[in-house]
Amino acid sequence: KQEVTQIPAALSVPEGENLVLNCSFTDSAIYNLQWFRQDPGKGLTSLLLIQSSQREQTSGRLNASLDKSSGRSTLYIAASQPGDSATYLCAVKGSYIPTFGRGTSLIVHP
Amino acid sequence: DGGITQSPKYLFRKEGQNVTLSCEQNLNHDAMYWYRQDPGQGLRLIYYSQIVNDFQKGDIAEGYSVSREKKESFPLTVTSAQKNPTAFYLCASRSASWQWTEAFFGQGTRLTVV
Repeated sequence: KQEVTQIPAALSVPEGENLVLNCSFTDSAIYNLQWFRQDPGKGLTSLLLIQSSQREQTSGRLNASLDKSSGRSTLYIAASQPGDSATYLCAVKGSYIPTFGRGTSLIVHP
Repeated sequence: DGGITQSPKYLFRKEGQNVTLSCEQNLNHDAMYWYRQDPGQGLRLIYYSQIVNDFQKGDIAEGYSVSREKKESFPLTVTSAQKNPTAFYLCASRSASWQWTEAFFGQGTRLTVV
């Protein structure tokens, strides 16, 4: 059974720092990996989708990489801002069902 | 606007009551999912449906029921058999059950037992 782990569970940083959030998975037979953002009491907003054949995807200040063979993905956030404060979740899709990590709770303070 | 709509945003249930959470999408997506989110536990799959009139149990289906009579609708009923229903419920959809498509989520329903 696929297991997804996100490290760290929580992170608090000053504004302007570059951040790396980690996601690891036990079964490398995946089709894609998706990063989401969740604000308190809200649903999930898709940030980036990486297909298994891709190495990375970029959107604005966000860059996500995928190393399928080692079972790892990283989400890089450049020049963090207070508005980036949220929980970040990764989900891997092997069969029909995506498996989620528990998320990294990020606080960026001014 | 295209998207997934969950209603209500907040729902209160008395002991022994069944309640139904609504999930509607106008994205023409084939696959729909229901997840439960508890603090510190991440998202757990309750039920999913890949096509109309078909659905499958997820990891924590006991005490829940669903229907998929229309492509755009996937309601979730929380029955009295669910002993600890207080949680945040999220509905998601994707364009097909194929491997490479992106998942989209609704804004969630927070259910509280009173």
